[in-house]
Amino acid sequence: ETGVTQSPTHLIKTRGQQVTLRCSSQSGHNTVSWYQQALGQGPQFIFQYYREEENGRGNFPPRFSGLQFPNYSSELNVNALELDDSALYLCASSLAQGSYGYTFGSGTRLTVV
Amino acid sequence: AQSVTQLGSHVSVSEGALVLLRCNYSSSVPPYLFWYVQYPNQGLQLLLKYTSAATLVKGINGFEAEFKKSETSFHLTKPSAHMSDAAEYFCAVSDRRGSQGNLIFGKGTKLSVKP
Repeated sequence: ETGVTQSPTHLIKTRGQQVTLRCSSQSGHNTVSWYQQALGQGPQFIFQYYREEENGRGNFPPRFSGLQFPNYSSELNVNALELDDSALYLCASSLAQGSYGYTFGSGTRLTVV
Repeated sequence: AQSVTQLGSHVSVSEGALVLLRCNYSSSVPPYLFWYVQYPNQGLQLLLKYTSAATLVKGINGFEAEFKKSETSFHLTKPSAHMSDAAEYFCAVSDRRGSQGNLIFGKGTKLSVKP
């Protein structure tokens, strides 16, 4: 059973650019959530995808968008990057039904300069 | 709205001593509660979860937590700290019942273990 994998592990972008982060969910999991973890803070919920549809969104602006694919993998896109977008971005997968539990990936460290 | 407060951003204990990490929550619905651990440069690993069954929850690596509704607390304990327990610990509450609820995290407590 594979866990959640995220790519890339590290990324440096310039303010104003766009970035795409990728996540492969754990085998059998059909729900993917994205979290932003700023330095010294707890993770904050960005949004969740279930069956390729957005299924909940946190307090993040529309320049944060996502996709989920038929194989349940997912992308997080951020447009018009700002310095405050520098953070660890975590992907978590889960089953929509059944026992409650998320499996987190190791994250993508994004630095905006 | 749900929220989590972790008392103490940094806790230091000696190896073999009791570990106590505090978490208080606020929830408008009966909560699901979680503790996660994060090692440097890694993602989050679930230690244990409370989903309205037994109030004393046992997790991995010898950790346990007790749900106390009257105190709105879910403190994490371990009788004897090990050097490998040094990490950051996050308490979280689900924003709604059911397996699709999203997690609201506290700011974390960094645990240091002295030899």
